[in-house]
Amino acid sequence: QSVLTQPPSASGTPGQRVTISCSGSSSNIEGNFVFWYQQLPGTAPKLLIYKNNQRPSGVPERFSGSKSGTSASLAISGLRSEDEAEYYCAAWDDSLSGVVFGGGTKLTVL
Amino acid sequence: QVQLQESGPGLVEPSQTLSLTCTVSGGSISSGGYYWSWIRQHPGKGLEWIGYIYFSGSTYYNPSLKSRLTISVDTSTNQFSLKLTSVTAADTAVYYCARAALTQEFDYWGQGTLVTVSS
Repeated sequence: QSVLTQPPSASGTPGQRVTISCSGSSSNIEGNFVFWYQQLPGTAPKLLIYKNNQRPSGVPERFSGSKSGTSASLAISGLRSEDEAEYYCAAWDDSLSGVVFGGGTKLTVL
Repeated sequence: QVQLQESGPGLVEPSQTLSLTCTVSGGSISSGGYYWSWIRQHPGKGLEWIGYIYFSGSTYYNPSLKSRLTISVDTSTNQFSLKLTSVTAADTAVYYCARAALTQEFDYWGQGTLVTVSS
């Protein structure tokens, strides 16, 4: 059971906008930065969003992050087939004194 | 461009110690400003933070692994290492090393190495 809760799956058609939620608590998401990672099959995770809504260099503007209270969301607009991957949220947890991850959301592009 | 590469045995016997090393290139561990991290992923499962170390030697461990875990750093070789004692099949996973900014995002990752615990 992951500390951060994500839906196990999400899907959309090319060009659509999809959102993936990440639910936490006052000890993690509410008081700390949220990060999002993309993991393509058979590869290492890649940083997608940091500090709630910042994109590293090279990450398309189609990817955006937001946070409100104890929840966060990743939005992907203009969905493309290459976006099919597993997506993980993460945050520091003050109670556990460690980094916690969500269980991951498998995004399927129909 | 920072690169990280894990190395170590792919097979460890139960009750033994799992030892992995991460070699960093393209940047110096001793320059500071980053935590050097270990993360694992059980087969078909999600990500689990193991812990990290600062160049000074300060460590932060996952409480669930703390009693079995040691992370160390060797700035002379630009490497950091993981030792996990008394392993069981539940420790079978892909182990990643990664660099974490002080704001805790993992911005560079190794390719990962599968460690299987089995006799």
